[in-house]
Amino acid sequence: AQSVTQLDSHVSVSEGTPVLLRCNYSSSYSPSLFWYVQHPNKGLQLLLKYTSAATLVKGINGFEAEFKKSETSFHLTKPSAHMSDAAEYFCVVSEPNTGTASKLTFGTGTRLQVTL
Amino acid sequence: DTAVSQTPKYLVTQMGNDKSIKCEQNLGHDTMYWYKQDSKKFLKIMFSYNNKELIINETVPNRFSPKSPDKAHLNLHINSLELGDSAVYFCASSHPGTSGRQRQFFGPGTRLTVL
Repeated sequence: AQSVTQLDSHVSVSEGTPVLLRCNYSSSYSPSLFWYVQHPNKGLQLLLKYTSAATLVKGINGFEAEFKKSETSFHLTKPSAHMSDAAEYFCVVSEPNTGTASKLTFGTGTRLQVTL
Repeated sequence: DTAVSQTPKYLVTQMGNDKSIKCEQNLGHDTMYWYKQDSKKFLKIMFSYNNKELIINETVPNRFSPKSPDKAHLNLHINSLELGDSAVYFCASSHPGTSGRQRQFFGPGTRLTVL
């Protein structure tokens, strides 16, 4: 069975300061990991994904995440927060492909607040 | 152009009614999904179809019945709506690919409110 734990339900940073959103996973297999972002009253947008290639993954809008197998972590970072980054962020783990579908398991989400 | 679209965006209805939510994708994907996001923002998969065949069916009340007329459409029909069905429902699609690590593309969501 796979699971994801997002360690913070709410993170608040000042504009221009670094962002760290923490995620730990559990999987019986070599996992695929994703970060999705959801802006208020919007759908889900993929920020980045890890699929067993490079452990440091770069995504859109300046975000990146590092896969650390020894720590079972996949934390999301950004050097400098922008007001437009305020949103809900979901860490997601996927079971290996069965050939037809991937079953995503979502974390409970971290709400990022960016203040002036 | 919209990749994954859902209609309606908002749905307000009374308990006991039957309602449907439609989903269409124009990405040429083979697999489509329905997710439910509850009031605490928790997202959980409900169903997945591949080429009109049901392949994932989580523990969902049988009042929920997905229907896939073709691989570009996956509709969700809900009978005898209950207060606890109030949530945001997201449709998604993916293509198997060769790597097996496919991403899913999500629709904008349908906010269902049961009164």
